[in-house]
Amino acid sequence: GESVGLHLPTLSVQEGDNSIINCAYSNSASDYFIWYKQESGKGPQFIIDIRSNMDKRQGQRVTVLLNKTVKHLSLQIAATQPGDSAVYFCAENMGEYGNKLVFGAGTILRVKS
Amino acid sequence: DTEVTQTPKHLVMGMTNKKSLKCEQHMGHRAMYWYKQKAKKPPELMFVYSYEKLSINESVPSRFSPECPNSSLLNLHLHALQPEDSALYLCASSQGDSGNTIYFGEGSWLTVV
Repeated sequence: GESVGLHLPTLSVQEGDNSIINCAYSNSASDYFIWYKQESGKGPQFIIDIRSNMDKRQGQRVTVLLNKTVKHLSLQIAATQPGDSAVYFCAENMGEYGNKLVFGAGTILRVKS
Repeated sequence: DTEVTQTPKHLVMGMTNKKSLKCEQHMGHRAMYWYKQKAKKPPELMFVYSYEKLSINESVPSRFSPECPNSSLLNLHLHALQPEDSALYLCASSQGDSGNTIYFGEGSWLTVV
């Protein structure tokens, strides 16, 4: 199951499948991007980041892809688990001087057991 | 667990009250942030402090007054708030100015009655 941009705010996947969450960012000058996971009643939790001089970065079970040509960011989660259920936000640093992190609208990920 | 600590976790205040939200971090970070998050919306930046100086104010109404007493502490003073100011207020910190990971606290839930 793949969400396309932010027009599909909810992504439902079967436990064990891979998840892909997409994000379109707005500023071609943004140089730093972060994915956050936010569980109900909690603050955003850092997942992975990527700088604009890279197009791919891998973490534990997660991969972020950056396509600057079309201003697109994606988060891939391998072997999705019930604990991955949350809202996922991409954020771009739009500050010319300093951190001005602007969040996308978010995607709800629901993992079915 | 986040290393950004926010108090109180919940606050109910009347429109004529004066209250404060507090945030503390001991990671040696030199930039601190206040974000506001309404239900089912992404966090929105309010203020950025860099090296204890206010560097970004996103046109926030004066009924919200930030204060950074030292590099570890950040306060948000609240006065004459409106019911529409009810939200989750998130504090965050990062190592420096630009391109550094921003870590969030669990937030303070504010209800204005």
